[in-house]
Amino acid sequence: DAGITQSPRHKVTETGTPVTLRCHQTENHRYMYWYRQDPGHGLRLIHYSYGVKDTDKGEVSDGYSVSRSKTEDFLLTLESATSSQTSVYFCAISPGGRSYYGYTFGSGTRLTVV
Amino acid sequence: TQLLEQSPQFLSIQEGENLTVYCNSSSVFSSLQWYRQEPGEGPVLLVTVVTGGEVKKLKRLTFQFGDARKDSSLHITAAQPGDTGLYLCAGERTSGSRLTFGEGTQLTVNP
Repeated sequence: DAGITQSPRHKVTETGTPVTLRCHQTENHRYMYWYRQDPGHGLRLIHYSYGVKDTDKGEVSDGYSVSRSKTEDFLLTLESATSSQTSVYFCAISPGGRSYYGYTFGSGTRLTVV
Repeated sequence: TQLLEQSPQFLSIQEGENLTVYCNSSSVFSSLQWYRQEPGEGPVLLVTVVTGGEVKKLKRLTFQFGDARKDSSLHITAAQPGDTGLYLCAGERTSGSRLTFGEGTQLTVNP
């Protein structure tokens, strides 16, 4: 009954290959976010979306692209994976633009680039 | 340099003890949130504070927002093993901006 699911949960990929992570929500929330979590850095925003086809960059967007063709799906693509992109990736959703509403996070995708 | 500095980074205590975790910044925040994260899962929202000096209680957890809205604290009374987890603070710099997270405090409560 989770309102937000991420797939895959785990992935190992080779350097230089493209990788796409998927976030799916059933809450009809307008805002969706992609974060990465790394030791020593905490959670850092990669990209976010404020509606279908409306996206913007976060603080660590280099090497990543996103797409949102439907309200429920937000895709994160690593165009050419590098070892520095080994991380745990979290998707989050929120109903409004104010962070005051709080974010609901998915369970994460652990990505290893070898 | 993290916009939000959390301390301590790691905390290991015995069941029944009290503890306080701090979240500090030189910047003013319009709101601040606390999340708890368990291994293999995403963070879960505990509380949002928006007014300087605000205190909120959630069972044995007490959250306070500093008067100047630059810092916050989380106090746990009589900690239990179920409180074990990574505690994250996150702030909204200006209304409508995205959340900025601290690195977190890893709490372990031993039975």
